[in-house]
Amino acid sequence: GIQVEQSPPDLILQEGANSTLRCNFSDSVNNLQWFHQNPWGQLINLFYIPSGTKQNGRLSATTVATERYSLLYISSSQTTDSGVYFCAWRDGQNFVFGPGTRLSVLP
Amino acid sequence: GAGVSQSPSNKVTEKGKDVELRCDPISGHTALYWYRQSLGQGLEFLIYFQGNSAPDKSGLPSDRFSAERTGGSVSTLTIQRTQQEDSAVYLCASSLRWGYSSYNEQFFGPGTRLTVL
Repeated sequence: GIQVEQSPPDLILQEGANSTLRCNFSDSVNNLQWFHQNPWGQLINLFYIPSGTKQNGRLSATTVATERYSLLYISSSQTTDSGVYFCAWRDGQNFVFGPGTRLSVLP
Repeated sequence: GAGVSQSPSNKVTEKGKDVELRCDPISGHTALYWYRQSLGQGLEFLIYFQGNSAPDKSGLPSDRFSAERTGGSVSTLTIQRTQQEDSAVYLCASSLRWGYSSYNEQFFGPGTRLTVL
């Protein structure tokens, strides 16, 4: 199956800082999405981003399908951004989630 | 409804008992998905439904697990003769359609935390 690396695995930021999270894939993927799992376990859909760039407030995402990676940008981070960020994609009949990046934003 | 709902939110059961977990998808969503997240682990895909049909059940961990969906809406995940390794958060998601398009965008419920003693 497709191998994915999410980097960094862990990230600690001071409130107000910017960050870039990355997913690298071993092959092209379909239906790429980014999710945020908050500290209470709720998974929140951030972006459906099979290609191109999208922005939503302080967050934006870019997928370069030909280069097999996707980036999630968080600007002016807030403590509520803490949690785990997953990229996910469709692999045949299955959906696969990457290992995640655990983000802690300190006040 | 406004979002995906799941019940119960928490379930504690004894080893060997059967449990049923329920998922109510977003109204109008024809595709429904079940995932499992063990403590500190990533998400494991279990099964999906297109309407009432589950084309591929190979993601279910064992034959003690089964799932059904009726009326193209509510889905039930049943675990028979529960084992301690079944302890996890079971998450349900729905999407407008199944396919290679934005209709495949998934929205998650709050999950059911299952603890098998």
